[in-house]
Amino acid sequence: SQKIEQNSEALNIQEGKTATLTCNYTNYSPAYLQWYRQDPGRGPVFLLLIRENEKEKRKERLKVTFDTTLKQSLFHITASQPADSATYLCALDGANSGGYQKVTFGTGTKLQVIP
Amino acid sequence: ETGVTQTPRHLVMGMTNKKSLKCEQHLGHNAMYWYKQSAKKPLELMFVYNFKEQTENNSVPSRFSPECPNSSHLFLHLHTLQPEDSALYLCASSQPDRVFNYEQYFGPGTRLTVT
Repeated sequence: SQKIEQNSEALNIQEGKTATLTCNYTNYSPAYLQWYRQDPGRGPVFLLLIRENEKEKRKERLKVTFDTTLKQSLFHITASQPADSATYLCALDGANSGGYQKVTFGTGTKLQVIP
Repeated sequence: ETGVTQTPRHLVMGMTNKKSLKCEQHLGHNAMYWYKQSAKKPLELMFVYNFKEQTENNSVPSRFSPECPNSSHLFLHLHTLQPEDSALYLCASSQPDRVFNYEQYFGPGTRLTVT
């Protein structure tokens, strides 16, 4: 069965450093991979999407890499700030079939940026 | 605000009660989703509706009954629930047939407690 693992349940880093979160998957060939941010008591918010034929995608202080050979994605936040503290979810989608999606989410990594 | 609203935000119900969760999206999307999020578990896709038609039911117990009267509204009717059904129930919408637009927009969720 499909399985997604995010490297750790929690990650603490010092403000200003780069946070790196890992997402590994097995028994899956996603067409693209997404990263979401979730704050306590709220729904996830979309951050970035990377396609299977893309190696890297950037958006402001965020960078995502996608290695389909290793079946791994890395999510980086550079110059991290306390406001970046949240849970980050990795999500995989096989294909756009029939106008809707069947997305599989990881359990998330809770990031704490310490001032 | 993501354009997806959910009511109520919190719900406490006994195992013999009947209640309904409501979701409304103001984004003009054709696909709507119900997810369940339990502690330490990934988001679990429950139901998918595409243009008001149910397209996915991920082996959800019959005590959960979805309804989609139109493409903007989605309900989840609850009856005879068990304590293990206590979780955060999230509604989402998307329009994946738009070019390069596969993100899902989530509501804030309903925190359900079954006593």
